[in-house]
Amino acid sequence: AQSVTQLGSHVSVSEGALVLLRCNYSSSVPPYLFWYVQYPNQGLQLLLKYTTGATLVKGINGFEAEFKKSETSFHLTKPSAHMSDAAEYFCAVSEDNAGNMLTFGGGTRLMVKP
Amino acid sequence: DAMVIQNPRYQVTQFGKPVTLSCSQTLNHNVMYWYQQKSSQAPKLLFHYYDKDFNNEADTPDNFQSRRPNTSFCFLDIRSPGLGDAAMYLCATSRGTSVWETQYFGPGTRLLVL
Repeated sequence: AQSVTQLGSHVSVSEGALVLLRCNYSSSVPPYLFWYVQYPNQGLQLLLKYTTGATLVKGINGFEAEFKKSETSFHLTKPSAHMSDAAEYFCAVSEDNAGNMLTFGGGTRLMVKP
Repeated sequence: DAMVIQNPRYQVTQFGKPVTLSCSQTLNHNVMYWYQQKSSQAPKLLFHYYDKDFNNEADTPDNFQSRRPNTSFCFLDIRSPGLGDAAMYLCATSRGTSVWETQYFGPGTRLLVL
């Protein structure tokens, strides 16, 4: 069975600082990994996903994530935080034999201080 | 430009009074999903439709039902809402159930049970 752990339910950074949101997964088969962002009172929006190929994945809004199989991690980063990045971020995993069924982590709320 | 539409955005119902939440899509996608997201928690898949084929998650309570009368619309029926059913309900769509297919989420309906 697949699962996702997001370390830190709340992360606070200053505007312009590096954003690092952590995600670790467990999967019995090669995983497919996703990051979604949820702004207040809105649905989820896909930031980026890893399926196969290059392990460094670039997404929207300047975010990127690197799949590290040896560490079972898929951490999300952004070099310089903007106030508009304040939101909830969810890491999710799917396995090919699970079709398109996503298992989400518990989420990390990112706060950006001026 | 709205792709996945959920109405209403906020729904108030009484304990035990049946309620229906609506989702429509303009993407002509084959798959429609319903997720439940309780406060400060990850979205949890309730069920999904592939065309007219209904797929229920094993731990989805019987109190939750769904209907998909056509490609564009999907409804979530809660037969006897309890206080524990208060949550955000997210609808999502995808073209297929392959893991390559991105899920597109609606803005959600927040359900309050009095």
